[in-house]
Amino acid sequence: AQSVAQPEDQVNVAEGNPLTVKCTYSVSGNPYLFWYVQYPNRGLQFLLKYITGDNLVKGSYGFEAEFNKSQTSFHLKKPSALVSDSALYFCAVGHSGGYNKLIFGAGTRLAVHP
Amino acid sequence: GAGVSQSPSNKVTEKGKDVELRCDPISGHTALYWYRQRLGQGLEFLIYFQGNSAPDKSGLPSDRFSAERTGESVSTLTIQRTQQEDSAVYLCASSLASGVAQPQHFGDGTRLSIL
Repeated sequence: AQSVAQPEDQVNVAEGNPLTVKCTYSVSGNPYLFWYVQYPNRGLQFLLKYITGDNLVKGSYGFEAEFNKSQTSFHLKKPSALVSDSALYFCAVGHSGGYNKLIFGAGTRLAVHP
Repeated sequence: GAGVSQSPSNKVTEKGKDVELRCDPISGHTALYWYRQRLGQGLEFLIYFQGNSAPDKSGLPSDRFSAERTGESVSTLTIQRTQQEDSAVYLCASSLASGVAQPQHFGDGTRLSIL
């Protein structure tokens, strides 16, 4: 069965510092991995995805994520955080077995302090 | 271009009433999903439509929940005899084609409050 874990409920970081939001997954077959961001009272916005190819994936708003197969992780990163990055971040996993359902993590709240 | 549109944005109703939530996907998107998001929690999959195929209803929590979609257009999620535990944000998403590799595009949701 597919599963995804976001071990941190909240991440606090100072503006200008690098940020990391963690995600680990479990899936049979090749994983498809996604990050989404949710601002207050809004739906989720797609940030980036890993399907195949380079392990380092670059996405919107300067975010990137690194796929690590041996550690079954797909951590979200940004070199320099902005206050406007404060939001709820969701990791999601699917797999290449053809089933169309994504499993979402519980979310991590990112707070960037001035 | 227009994104996924959901209506109403907010709905307050009394316990026991029926409610109908609407989702207009992005034009040309063949796949449509409904999710439930309880306060402070992640997304709970409810149902998935792909073109004219039979929908995947495996996430519907009870027979009080049903959903329909006409072709590749509007979808409605109906909750009958609402209960307080149905209070949540209901999110709709669409994607360009079948296959989990396609990013899903979300509406802003309907916030449902059951009194």
